[in-house]
Amino acid sequence: AQSVTQLGSHVSVSEGALVLLRCNYSSSVPPYLFWYVQYPNQGLQLLLKYTTGATLVKGINGFEAEFKKSETSFHLTKPSAHMSDAAEYFCAVSPNYGGSQGNLIFGKGTKLSVKP
Amino acid sequence: ETGVTQSPTHLIKTRGQQVTLRCSSQSGHNTVSWYQQALGQGPQFIFQYYREEENGRGNFPPRFSGLQFPNYSSELNVNALELDDSALYLCASSWGGDQPQHFGDGTRLSIL
Repeated sequence: AQSVTQLGSHVSVSEGALVLLRCNYSSSVPPYLFWYVQYPNQGLQLLLKYTTGATLVKGINGFEAEFKKSETSFHLTKPSAHMSDAAEYFCAVSPNYGGSQGNLIFGKGTKLSVKP
Repeated sequence: ETGVTQSPTHLIKTRGQQVTLRCSSQSGHNTVSWYQQALGQGPQFIFQYYREEENGRGNFPPRFSGLQFPNYSSELNVNALELDDSALYLCASSWGGDQPQHFGDGTRLSIL
């Protein structure tokens, strides 16, 4: 069975500092991996996705993530935090059944706070 | 391009009642998935519809049911509401295959 573990339910950084949100997954088949962001009272917005190919994935708003199969990790980073990055971030995994996405399995989320 | 829209945005019901939540897919999308997000948790998969047929179901009881219509809009129905059904219900649409799912802003359901 697939699962996602996000280390740290709450991360706090200063504006301009590096953002690092951790995600580890388990999957018996090559997975698709995603990061979504959720602002208060809103749905989820896709930040980036990994399907196949290049393991370093660039997303919107300056975020990127690296797929490391040997570590079963897909950590999200941003070099310099901005106040507008404060939100909740969810890592998700999906089985790659012959290219079909299937349903998403989410981690419990990490709430990012950005201090001025 | 019209995004995923859900209605209503908020709803209050009492235990034992029934509720219907609605979702309009993003233009061109033929697959709809529903998720339940309890407070402080990540979304949990309820079920998915592809071209009007159920195409996968999570660990939810049969009192959670759904429909997808020819225009690919969808409904989530919940019977015999329980207090634990209080949550944000998210709808996501996609063009099947390996395309990412696009989420609506959700319906906040409160059970008294």
